[in-house]
Amino acid sequence: QPHLVQSGAEVKKPGASMKVSCKASGYMFTSDGISWVRQAPGQGLEWMGWISVYNGYTNYAQKFQGRVTMTADTSTNTAYMELRSLRSDDTATYYCTRYGVDYFSRWFDPWGQGTQVTVSS
Amino acid sequence: DIVLTQSPDTLSLSPGERATLSCRASQTVSSSYLAWYQQKPGQAPRLLIYSASSRAAGIPDRFSGSGSGTDFTLTITRLEPEDFAVYYCQQFGNSPWTFGRGTKVEIK
Repeated sequence: QPHLVQSGAEVKKPGASMKVSCKASGYMFTSDGISWVRQAPGQGLEWMGWISVYNGYTNYAQKFQGRVTMTADTSTNTAYMELRSLRSDDTATYYCTRYGVDYFSRWFDPWGQGTQVTVSS
Repeated sequence: DIVLTQSPDTLSLSPGERATLSCRASQTVSSSYLAWYQQKPGQAPRLLIYSASSRAAGIPDRFSGSGSGTDFTLTITRLEPEDFAVYYCQQFGNSPWTFGRGTKVEIK
């Protein structure tokens, strides 16, 4: 069964950077992409971008362009999301999810357990 | 950006009742690129429906999706206690991929 396990909670100061990891198992890591979605406390889901594990292609939401970098290490089946110049409104739970493609279908499944990041001085 | 408007914000129902959740897009979304997720408190979202009407693996058949163009619907035919949660629709048609704000299905 496909499974994603994320790194633990982090507390960061404004202006710092964060890097969350997402280790995949139970499927061929290079066959699908990894997307990142965040959720501020009490709020809805916000898509940040995705990476093709196969060729490293990335597509970031414009809101995060210049501040985010998504990478994938095929030797360890681990994806990473780095967000820089953190602000208090970056406080959120960050999720990785497998981006699946099948002919004309798309989906996010499964999801990691989430990584809570708090940005506070 | 494609805006997905979900309604109602909150649905108060009793176990055994039928739930009908709406997701309206600000522009046409291919049915192939519309998904629904369930999220319970403290948990990650879970895929329910993809391609507007295809159930994900392990999802009970009381969950069904329908719709096309700009109007999509998630139906839960008979609510079970474990179905009370927040439901999100999401589109992959245009970048940025966007989510609706969610519909909370609560126990009446």
